[in-house]
Amino acid sequence: DIQMTQSPSSLSASLGDRVTISCQASQDIKHFLNWYQQKPGKAPKLLIYDASNLETGVPSRFSGSGSGTDFTFTISSLQPEDIATYYCEHYNNLPPGYSFGQGTKLEI
Amino acid sequence: QVQLVESGGGVVQPGRSLRLSCAASGFAFDTCPMHWVRQAPGKGLEWVAVISYDGGAKYYADSVRGRFTISRDNSKNTLDLQMSSLRPDDTAVYYCTRTPARRRGGFDLWGQGILVTVSS
Repeated sequence: DIQMTQSPSSLSASLGDRVTISCQASQDIKHFLNWYQQKPGKAPKLLIYDASNLETGVPSRFSGSGSGTDFTFTISSLQPEDIATYYCEHYNNLPPGYSFGQGTKLEI
Repeated sequence: QVQLVESGGGVVQPGRSLRLSCAASGFAFDTCPMHWVRQAPGKGLEWVAVISYDGGAKYYADSVRGRFTISRDNSKNTLDLQMSSLRPDDTAVYYCTRTPARRRGGFDLWGQGILVTVSS
């Protein structure tokens, strides 16, 4: 099974900061990686799909990059509404399987 | 309105069964693979099961294979999860979610979640 290692597990930043979160796969997963935001008591929200594609309606301060084993999620200028936990997620299609990173709790 | 709404959660004793349902509306349900994802209290996300758009293929996480069964009724736009031999570590909020028809992956629409508590 492919293991996803997300770091850091928590992060404290200031408004306006550039924030980066990393996700590392135990083997090459090409671009099959997504990023989610989850606020307390709410369902996750898809932000980035296939490593670098911004989901419709998501602000452009969010971005993703990487391929193979190393991926990065970036918030270019932290806003108050960005306080949440962020998860990476890898998917396989053959056979179908899905694994989430451990999550990064972002705080001010 | 495009939405997923889960129902059927509650408190159940270990070893018993429970059936969750998810009602879909506002989109072409019969074109989308559908999933269940769960989150134990204070923990991260765990994918549980997927069913293909036509119900012909089903896959499960190792932690639930042989105990849980995913199914769908495209005539009623509903997704179900039959859970049996429940254990305390199945306690979680269960989310119904979809992969959009035009993509290979990514969960772009989620229900509000339903809490299942396995306790004596």
